[in-house]
Amino acid sequence: AQRVTQPEKLLSVFKGAPVELKCNYSYSGSPELFWYVQYSRQRLQLLLRHISRESIKGFTADLNKGETSFHLKKPFAQEEDSAMYYCALSGRRGGANNLFFGTGTRLTVIP
Amino acid sequence: EPEVTQTPSHQVTQMGQEVILRCVPISNHLYFYWYRQILGQKVEFLVSFYNNEISEKSEIFDDQFSVERPDGSNFTLKIRSTKLEDSAMYFCASSRDRGDQPQHFGDGTRLSIL
Repeated sequence: AQRVTQPEKLLSVFKGAPVELKCNYSYSGSPELFWYVQYSRQRLQLLLRHISRESIKGFTADLNKGETSFHLKKPFAQEEDSAMYYCALSGRRGGANNLFFGTGTRLTVIP
Repeated sequence: EPEVTQTPSHQVTQMGQEVILRCVPISNHLYFYWYRQILGQKVEFLVSFYNNEISEKSEIFDDQFSVERPDGSNFTLKIRSTKLEDSAMYFCASSRDRGDQPQHFGDGTRLSIL
């Protein structure tokens, strides 16, 4: 069965400090991993996905199959990064892309 | 940028009553999803829908739940006889074509069962 674990419910960092939001997963097949972000009073939106291997808003995430991890990193946190971050795994069946979410980490960037 | 829209934003219903949550997916999207988030818990997959039929459903999606695309634009989630534990935030999402396309989420409907 698939499972996504985000061990930190809350994370606070100072502006300009590096930030790392941890995500570990369990999945029997070949996983597709995503990070979704929810800013205050806004909808869930895709931040990045591992197959894109891109940097969005300064964030990166590398899929480490050996450690079954997909940690989200940013070298210098900004106040506008304060939000709820969800790691998600795709349990694809046919063409559908059912997402299984972690419990989320609330990031607070202190000015 | 086109968005997924959900109505109502908040629904209050008596236990045992039927409720219908409505979603308008992005117009050229073909895959539709419902998720729910009980207060303080994680977002949970309920059901996916493609080509006018359920693609997959979770164990949460029991006989009390049904989905429908009644008119080619709306995508609805019906709960036949609501229970207190159905109180949650319900999110609709859609994606363009094959499942490797990102899902776009609506703002959610907060369902409160009294």
